[in-house]
Order: sequence, then C-alpha cells, then structure tokens
Amino acid sequence: KQEVTQIPAALSVPEGENLVLNCSFTDSAIYNLQWFRQDPGKGLTSLLLIQSSQREQTSGRLNASLDKSSGRSTLYIAASQPGDSATYLCAVQDSNYQLIWGAGTKLIIKP
Amino acid sequence: DAMVIQNPRYQVTQFGKPVTLSCSQTLNHNVMYWYQQKSSQAPKLLFHYYDKDFNNEADTPDNFQSRRPNTSFCFLDIRSPGLGDAAMYLCATSRRGNDHEQYFGPGTRLTVT
Repeated sequence: KQEVTQIPAALSVPEGENLVLNCSFTDSAIYNLQWFRQDPGKGLTSLLLIQSSQREQTSGRLNASLDKSSGRSTLYIAASQPGDSATYLCAVQDSNYQLIWGAGTKLIIKP
Repeated sequence: DAMVIQNPRYQVTQFGKPVTLSCSQTLNHNVMYWYQQKSSQAPKLLFHYYDKDFNNEADTPDNFQSRRPNTSFCFLDIRSPGLGDAAMYLCATSRRGNDHEQYFGPGTRLTVT
C-alpha cells in the first residue's frame, strides 16, 4: 500500500531564505506527483505536477524534483516571502489513478 | 476560463438536516471526485465518477451519497449530517487515464450546528 510522508511537519524560516520541503513515498509505481499549496481555511492550489518520466519542474521561485527510484521529491522555494506562508501538500497518483496524500508541511516565513 | 466551481463556498446546516453540495466544471473532464478534508488533515477521497460509473471508497459512510446528472455537474448529498461531518469538501476533475492532473475547486466549508 502506497504511503506518502512529508517531513518536517512544520517549518519556520526568516524571510529571504531558500528552503526545501521533503516528500517521500513507498511505492515507486506512480504516474505523477503533485505539490499543492493550501492557505488556512481555503481550498487547494496546484503548484507543480511532475510526470513519472520527468525529473523536475519549475515555476517562478519554485522548483520540484522527483527521484522515483528512491521514492523522494523535494520542493525548493527560493528567496522566501511572508506570502509563501501556507501548508504545502504533496500527493502521488498511484496505479489506480488515485491521489495518495502526505499530511503536509506547515510553512511560516517570518518577516 | 475553464474551471471547477463549487457552491456554496460556506454552508451551515443543523444536526440531522440533509444538505447538498454542488460542483460544476467547464473543463469537460470525464472524471469527478469528492474529497473530505478535516482540519490539519490531508484530503480523504469519498467517491469518484468515471463518466457515469460511480466508485465508492470502502470506508465512505452510507450517510454520504453522490449524483452526477451530466458531465458538468456532480452533487454531494449528506443525508443526516453529524457534528463529525463538519469539514471542507473538495471537488476535483481530471481526464480519464494516467498522468492527468486533478483540478480542484475552491471547496465548500460545511459547519454543522
């Protein structure tokens, strides 16, 4: 059974720092991996999707990598801003096309 | 813009009073999903439709039902809401098959009094 783990559960860093969020999964048979952002009390915003055949995707200050063989993905945020404060969720699409979710990392960027 | 729309954004219902949440999409996707997300937890899949084929998750309570009258619309019916059903309900769509991204609506926050 696929399991997705996100470490750390919470992270607080000063504004301007570069940071990395981690996501690991137990079964490498995935179709893709998505990173989402969720603000308190709000819905999900899709940030990046990495297909199983890809190694990374970039959008602005965000870069997501995927290493299927080791079951790991990272979300790199450059030059963090207070507006980046949110919960970040990763999810893998399994062989049944379903999303298996991590519990999220709550990120706080201190001004 | 093509999108996933959920109505209402906020819903308050009384304990035991049936409630219906609505989702519509302009993406013409053939798969629609309903998720329940409780505070500080990951979304939990309740059920999904491949076209008109309904797929219920094994641990989804019987209290939750769904209807999909056409490609564009999908409804979540909670027959007798309990206090434990208070949550964010998220609708998502995708094209059938692999490597296809799920697109999420803004969610409906349900409060049960």
